[in-house]
Amino acid sequence: QSALTQPASVSGSPGQSITISCTGTSTDVGGYNFVSWYQQHPGKAPKLMIYDVSSRPSGVSNRFSGSKSGNTASLTISGLQAEDEADYYCSSYTTSSTWVFGGGTKLAVL
Amino acid sequence: QLQLQESGPGLVKPSETLSLTCTVSGGPISSSSYYWGWIRQPPGKGLEWIGSIYYTGSTYYNPSLKSRVTISVDTSKDQFSLKLSSVTAADTAVYYCARPSLIQGYGMDVWGQGTTVTVSS
Repeated sequence: QSALTQPASVSGSPGQSITISCTGTSTDVGGYNFVSWYQQHPGKAPKLMIYDVSSRPSGVSNRFSGSKSGNTASLTISGLQAEDEADYYCSSYTTSSTWVFGGGTKLAVL
Repeated sequence: QLQLQESGPGLVKPSETLSLTCTVSGGPISSSSYYWGWIRQPPGKGLEWIGSIYYTGSTYYNPSLKSRVTISVDTSKDQFSLKLSSVTAADTAVYYCARPSLIQGYGMDVWGQGTTVTVSS
């Protein structure tokens, strides 16, 4: 299985919105609505931010939202804050009962 | 509150077997709502799923690592383990254990803090 495709980096100013894309295939992102997004700050473990394409775990800000169209999922962060600066990873459960991650996107809040 | 804690040697010699254990505390490992998994992150690189196990013992592995990976579970100790054989420098990474949740769309909702494993002679 190949890693999901994410842009290497994105940036935005405080208060703005950004979107990170995650492209897979019909056997992962396009196969099920089991896409998750993780936030990882340097030296820390990843944190689940979105599951089931667009659902937020308890405690995650509603500034984070997710969507999917075909084989591409997206994470949108609105009202950017300095604390949002981190690496973001998408992940999908696949039709082979495995998991696959994206290569990661570094978000810079300028 | 459920917590996961990785343990094992921080240094492994090339060609040997890497062995790590994840201890689950604050909740039972024998739950039908969750899998248990291993993920790694080489220095400066992204996350790579290694494999997952259900409490029944059913295992699921990354095809690229399948020939070298064994994941097992010990429900009596609330632990699950990873063995990766024939390691090389490319296996140097931070290794995380995590809990994929059926309730949250197979998302990994709880993570260990990670343990660094270096492969070197």
